[in-house]
Amino acid sequence: EVQLVESGGGLVQPGGSLRLSCAASGFTFSNYWMSWVRQAPGKGLEWVANIKEDGSEKSYVDSVKGRFTISRDNAKNSLSLQMNSLRAEDSAVYYCARGHSAPDCWGQGTLVTVSS
Amino acid sequence: EIVLTQSPGTLSLSPGERATLSCRASQSISSNFFAWYQQKPGQAPRLLMYDISTRATGIPDRFSGSGSGTDFTLTISRLEPEDFAVYYCQQYGTSPPFTFGPGTKVDI
Repeated sequence: EVQLVESGGGLVQPGGSLRLSCAASGFTFSNYWMSWVRQAPGKGLEWVANIKEDGSEKSYVDSVKGRFTISRDNAKNSLSLQMNSLRAEDSAVYYCARGHSAPDCWGQGTLVTVSS
Repeated sequence: EIVLTQSPGTLSLSPGERATLSCRASQSISSNFFAWYQQKPGQAPRLLMYDISTRATGIPDRFSGSGSGTDFTLTISRLEPEDFAVYYCQQYGTSPPFTFGPGTKVDI
């Protein structure tokens, strides 16, 4: 069974940092692009970033470029999102998802709240 | 960036009825790169359709997708109780960002 389990969310002050992790199981992690998608409370979905199978290509939505970094460790079947200079508008549930652009499997998400 | 608009915002129907959800893009979508997702309260989104009309694994055939260019439709032929949810469209053309629509809520 494919499983994606996010962790690392929490309450952080504006300007702070947080690192999200996603543990993957049930499939050959190194064969798939992976993505992060977020959803602000009561709002719609926003694609955030993706990373190629070997980590050689990465893309980001403009609003997080220069602040967020996506990375992966294929040996540990793990995906990460380092989030720096956090803003109130980054508050959301962050989903780890399998796929380059139209993810077919999603984790349950981890909540990030940016507030003083 | 391609902007997606979904209509209606809310669709009130009964089990057994047909649901037709629309999504319009601000510019033509390349290479049929268009998807639909279903999301229930407190749950992650679930991929329903990709490449406009291909059903994802395990999706029943009462769900169908159609359209081209800038106008796309998700049809649920006969609503089951478990189909009442929010539906999002998404384009994933040649380059990021892969934008989503604001969603259509299908409720009773």
